[in-house]
Amino acid sequence: SAVISQKPSRDICQRGTSLTIQCQVDSQVTMMFWYRQQPGQSLTLIATANQGSEATYESGFVIDKFPISRPNLTFSTLTVSNMSPEDSSIYLCSVRDNTGELFFGEGSRLTVL
Amino acid sequence: KQEVTQIPAALSVPEGENLVLNCSFTDSAIYNLQWFRQDPGKGLTSLLLIQSSQREQTSGRLNASLDKSSGRSTLYIAASQPGDSATYLCAVRPMTTDSWGKLQFGAGTQVVVTP
Repeated sequence: SAVISQKPSRDICQRGTSLTIQCQVDSQVTMMFWYRQQPGQSLTLIATANQGSEATYESGFVIDKFPISRPNLTFSTLTVSNMSPEDSSIYLCSVRDNTGELFFGEGSRLTVL
Repeated sequence: KQEVTQIPAALSVPEGENLVLNCSFTDSAIYNLQWFRQDPGKGLTSLLLIQSSQREQTSGRLNASLDKSSGRSTLYIAASQPGDSATYLCAVRPMTTDSWGKLQFGAGTQVVVTP
């Protein structure tokens, strides 16, 4: 299974600011995904990070709010822009192997004041 | 729309007892079902993946069954230990999605194993 590292592990941010979360994988993977887990809720897919092209966003998520970069097959970033308290969540990076199994990072816990 | 339900929402057992966690889903058109463990404030650890053509998977003390036609999966954890205390999530990958990474998650079962 892939080893996935996320930075930061947690942060406290002010309303109106932006934060970029990094995801590093120890092997090359074709597919990387970003999920959000709001307090007391289960996980929701934000987008698929595509190497060499724009990310594919799920319904309810837009590029202006959650810009994503995928410069190579081992790294991706998710930015949470113009944050509000409603953006307080755990953000998780995920990769898929060739059997279809998904593996997740430790998550980045974001608190917006 | 696919819905995934996990019952019970919370479970407390003494150490040594077997754990039985249930997951049901409304649409049997799935590619696979995956069980995860989540510790408080942390990411998810994959426990078992069951492909839609399989009936069960085993890993150590863990065994998961899948009955796709009835929309059910059960995770068994034998001889529970305090270290098994966590939230257990099941998730399905619906055939109705074109996203390779889109899983539909249940709300989870919070397990406490008391020494």
